Amino acid sequence: QSALTQPASVSGSPGQSITISCTGTSSDVGGYNYVSWYQQHPGKAPKLMIYEVSNRPSGVSNRFSGSKSGNTASLTISGLQAEDEADYYCSSYTSSSPAWVFGTGTKVTVL
Amino acid sequence: EVQLVESGGGLVKPGGSLRLSCAASGFTFSSYSMNWVRQAPGKGLEWVSSISSSSSYIYYADSVKGRFTISRDNAKNSLYLQMNSLRAEDTAVYYCARPLNSSSNHYFDYWGQGTLVTVSS
Repeated sequence: QSALTQPASVSGSPGQSITISCTGTSSDVGGYNYVSWYQQHPGKAPKLMIYEVSNRPSGVSNRFSGSKSGNTASLTISGLQAEDEADYYCSSYTSSSPAWVFGTGTKVTVL
Repeated sequence: EVQLVESGGGLVKPGGSLRLSCAASGFTFSSYSMNWVRQAPGKGLEWVSSISSSSSYIYYADSVKGRFTISRDNAKNSLYLQMNSLRAEDTAVYYCARPLNSSSNHYFDYWGQGTLVTVSS
């Protein structure tokens, strides 16, 4: 159950778009459309932002979008805002065990 | 309103035991699988364990298998995590998490506030 690989940090200026990658294997990201993304502000519980690769839960801004190609999933934040500064984690179902695995996490900084 | 409230965290010595609880309200608890997810200080999220709605299916991360036991009491709307043989690396905030819908356990849309477990001598 190895963690999915994410860049440690990504930054952008207000209004810009950024993309966070999440790389796994054919046993997790590449094998299933059960990829989700979570936003976590310091000291707070995670918040579900994207599920099933590209679906947004009710209430989540349409500035957040998800996609997948092969073993890599991506989260794009468009029109970056100060409130988007947080840690972001991807997650996927994995056929190992079975179980669920999270990514290593990406700190998004709004410059 | 969906609420998940964890309790039972604290300071415990290596090799010791602790039982976490999660009190659920605002939804039909007996219809949902439930999960424990932890986060070590300054580190990322780690899925720990899942239990199906009727307790028929139970899964554990390799890191806790054989030491932790997940259970639930649908009559009391409560989820539990019995943690034995605790190690320093088990130090983390433990979150109780509910999936997005009752038919799937792949996405967690409700989380508790977390309870801190510290394993130290």
